[in-house]
Amino acid sequence: GESVGLHLPTLSVQEGDNSIINCAYSNSASDYFIWYKQESGKGPQFIIDIRSNMDKRQGQRVTVLLNKTVKHLSLQIAATQPGDSAVYFCAESGAGTALIFGKGTTLSVSS
Amino acid sequence: ETGVTQTPRHLVMGMTNKKSLKCEQHLGHNAMYWYKQSAKKPLELMFVYNFKEQTENNSVPSRFSPECPNSSHLFLHLHTLQPEDSALYLCASSQRGGMPNSGNTIYFGEGSWLTVV
Repeated sequence: GESVGLHLPTLSVQEGDNSIINCAYSNSASDYFIWYKQESGKGPQFIIDIRSNMDKRQGQRVTVLLNKTVKHLSLQIAATQPGDSAVYFCAESGAGTALIFGKGTTLSVSS
Repeated sequence: ETGVTQTPRHLVMGMTNKKSLKCEQHLGHNAMYWYKQSAKKPLELMFVYNFKEQTENNSVPSRFSPECPNSSHLFLHLHTLQPEDSALYLCASSQRGGMPNSGNTIYFGEGSWLTVV
C-alpha cells in the first residue's frame, strides 16, 4: 500500500541554522505534495506545495525539493527561528480525493 | 485566523452523552472535511462533503454522524463514543472536492480536542 513517512521523528537545531526535514513516499503515482506546519494546540497550517512536474519550489525562507527517482521530498527552512518550532507533516495526493499524511517531524529550535 | 473556525475547542463527554462539533469556513470553499488526529498517528480522513453532498466516508463507525447543511457549515454529531475516540478532530475546507492540487489546497481549522470519559 501507499505510505508517507518521515525519516526522523525529531530534529533539533540552533537558531540561525538551516533545517532540512525529509519525507519518503511510496506511491509513484502521487503527483502533488504539500508541507504543513502544526504548532502546539493548533491545526495544521499550509506552508508550501509542489507538483510532480517540478523539482524545486521556493517560498519565503522555505524550499521544497522533490526527487521522483527515489520518491523523496524535503523541506528546507533557512535561518531557522524559535517560531519555527512545530511538527511538520508532508502529505501526498494522486490516488484519489484524500491527502495521505506522514506521521510528522518535531522541529525544536534552541536560542 | 485560518478562515476555518471550529467550536468547541475542548470537549469532555461521557460515553452515553450526545454532543456535536461545529465547523464554519469563511473562505468561500465548496468542499469540507473531517479529519481525526490521534497521538503518534498520521491524520486520518473521516468524511468529505462536496457542495453539501457526502462524497467519502472512510469506514467511520456510525457513532460519528456528519451533517453538512450548506457549503459553509459542517457538523460532527457524537453519540455513544468510546475512550479510544479521544483525539483532536480537525475540520478542513478546499475550493472544491476531488483531488487536492495547486489551487485546491486543503486548509485546516484549529481543531476540537475531544476527551471521552
